[in-house]
Amino acid sequence: SYEVTQPPSVSVSPGQTARIACSGNDLIDKDVCWYQQKTGQSPVLIIYQNVVRPSGIPERFSASTSGNVATLAISGALPVDEADYYCQAWVDRTVVFGGGTKLTVL
Amino acid sequence: EVKLLESGGTLVKPGGSLRLSCEGSGFTFKNTAMAWVRQAPGRGLQWVSTIRANVDLTYYADSVKGRFTISRDDSKNMVFLQMSSLRADDTAVYYCAKYGLATIRSYYGVDAWGQGTTVTVSS
Repeated sequence: SYEVTQPPSVSVSPGQTARIACSGNDLIDKDVCWYQQKTGQSPVLIIYQNVVRPSGIPERFSASTSGNVATLAISGALPVDEADYYCQAWVDRTVVFGGGTKLTVL
Repeated sequence: EVKLLESGGTLVKPGGSLRLSCEGSGFTFKNTAMAWVRQAPGRGLQWVSTIRANVDLTYYADSVKGRFTISRDDSKNMVFLQMSSLRADDTAVYYCAKYGLATIRSYYGVDAWGQGTTVTVSS
């Protein structure tokens, strides 16, 4: 079955750019979404169709895909961005989530 | 405002059955694909099942295929997850999820989530 892989954790200092990678076979050929989940809360969609930010998501969140790797970038990371981030791919009418990446901003 | 309200989560014994319900509001439910996503304690998100809108098509994760059944009642704006032969590894928070607009091969993400309902499978 198809899998997407994320690093368990990423750390960044406030104001720096955080990058979270999501790797999967031929990921460039799939539609990828990203979600943010803060502790004790439900996930929130922050990127869909690989690069599109839903209304209300700050511009500091962006994403791209190249080859087998999708990357979420958070420019000028803030302490409020500390959360778990999940990539998600649509694969043959099923949904595949990455294992999640815990982002620490300090 | 889009809202999804789950119910039905509880403690159940291994081998038991349970039905989860989710009521949607604030959007045109009958035209919207819906899903269930679960999250085991301290773990990541795991897709469970999808039910499409306007067609009788459902999809399941391999781990629940044959044990879980997703269904919907568009007259009541509700989606259900009937779970049987429950196992300890089915223990999780179950989220009701709304898909965004459909494309040829996917959707515009899960653009709304419920608050989750907790299922605990234990003797």
